[in-house]
Amino acid sequence: DAGVTQSPTHLIKTRGQQVTLRCSPKSGHDTVSWYQQALGQGPQFIFQYYEEEERQRGNFPDRFSGHQFPNYSSELNVNALLLGDSALYLCASSLYNRNIQYFGAGTRLSVL
Amino acid sequence: ILNVEQSPQSLHVQEGDSTNFTCSFPSSNFYALHWYRWETAKSPEALFVMTLNGDEKKKGRISATLNTKEGYSYLYIKGSQPEDSATYLCGRDDKIIFGKGTRLHILP
Repeated sequence: DAGVTQSPTHLIKTRGQQVTLRCSPKSGHDTVSWYQQALGQGPQFIFQYYEEEERQRGNFPDRFSGHQFPNYSSELNVNALLLGDSALYLCASSLYNRNIQYFGAGTRLSVL
Repeated sequence: ILNVEQSPQSLHVQEGDSTNFTCSFPSSNFYALHWYRWETAKSPEALFVMTLNGDEKKKGRISATLNTKEGYSYLYIKGSQPEDSATYLCGRDDKIIFGKGTRLHILP
């Protein structure tokens, strides 16, 4: 039973570019949440997807958008990248309205 | 602004000793409190999810308590082992608001 998988593991982009990160949830899970962990900080909640809709959103600008597919996998898109977007991006899956979230190993994004 | 605070930031403990650390959070509109263990180069692993004031949970040598009225949770590790070296994150609610973590180093 595969856990949460994220791709790619590492990514280097330049300012102004756009990036797409991908997440496959744990088998049987229908909800995907995304978090950003900047250096020295705890993970910050970006948004959560369920039934292909954004259900909750943290304090992130509209440059951060997402999508959930019918197979429950999800993408995180970031437009007009800034240096400050350099971080580890974590995906977590769960059953909707259940508390325990299972995390992937993350995608390390570096913006130069 | 909802802030979750963890202390200490970093901790060195001799193998075999017991230790504990703290998570503080605003008590209003509380939903759930999560503890995760995060080893280097791995995914964060859920340890406990607690929802009720006075909850106590245990998993092997690790246990946690919750006080929602005063807004704190303690994580205890009994008889520390090298494999306990990790960052311990706590977070509040379903869209988890995390603290910065406590980095635990077990000294052989």
